[in-house]
Amino acid sequence: QKEVEQDPGPLSVPEGAIVSLNCTYSNSAFQYFMWYRQYSRKGPELLMYTYSSGNKEDGRFTAQVDKSSKYISLFIRDSQPSDSATYLCATGTGGGNKLTFGTGTQLKVEL
Amino acid sequence: GAVVSQHPSRVICKSGTSVKIECRSLDFQATTMFWYRQFPKKSLMLMATSNEGSKATYEQGVEKDKFLINHASLTLSTLTVTSAHPEDSSFYICSARTPDRGGSNQPQHFGDGTRLSIL
Repeated sequence: QKEVEQDPGPLSVPEGAIVSLNCTYSNSAFQYFMWYRQYSRKGPELLMYTYSSGNKEDGRFTAQVDKSSKYISLFIRDSQPSDSATYLCATGTGGGNKLTFGTGTQLKVEL
Repeated sequence: GAVVSQHPSRVICKSGTSVKIECRSLDFQATTMFWYRQFPKKSLMLMATSNEGSKATYEQGVEKDKFLINHASLTLSTLTVTSAHPEDSSFYICSARTPDRGGSNQPQHFGDGTRLSIL
């Protein structure tokens, strides 16, 4: 079993839709949770970073963490074609330790 | 803030050539940098963790003599792929952590990657 599981997609939605992206993890030592967006042939760009259960909102993006069920989500409201990219969840134990990434979900927002 | 620059963005060279990739943190000092490898439609695979002024820590299965890492300053780490062969062709990405603040661990910020093609 992988430490972080993520549906690779592809996920295709119409413009304006609410997108829900999810990951599950198995290691209860993971305390830090991140979502990265990666456009084709580019490096990952940090979207959201949190270390507590609950919701964190930034513009159209909301990150949700449920440590009791080891489940993390990213919601994108009013999705735009420019949101088309691969979204990677990542977790870490902190203390400068390495991150464990999901495989990424490919999202396509269509006009 | 937290900009990481990686150079070059694209390299095409002949088998047997050694290739050096640079990773710079432009607006912060990074005591720790990371080097990843990514295959098409796959996630990032950590190759090594680079700490300024000390030897890099390599992940299991990564050849130290093949992938030489140097982190000589707080803003620069380099990855040298020695005697590269076609199987080394991949997308290499570096990242750097911003300094921790008030006991809070900071996330990694990534460069734009280097696409290496060995003929």
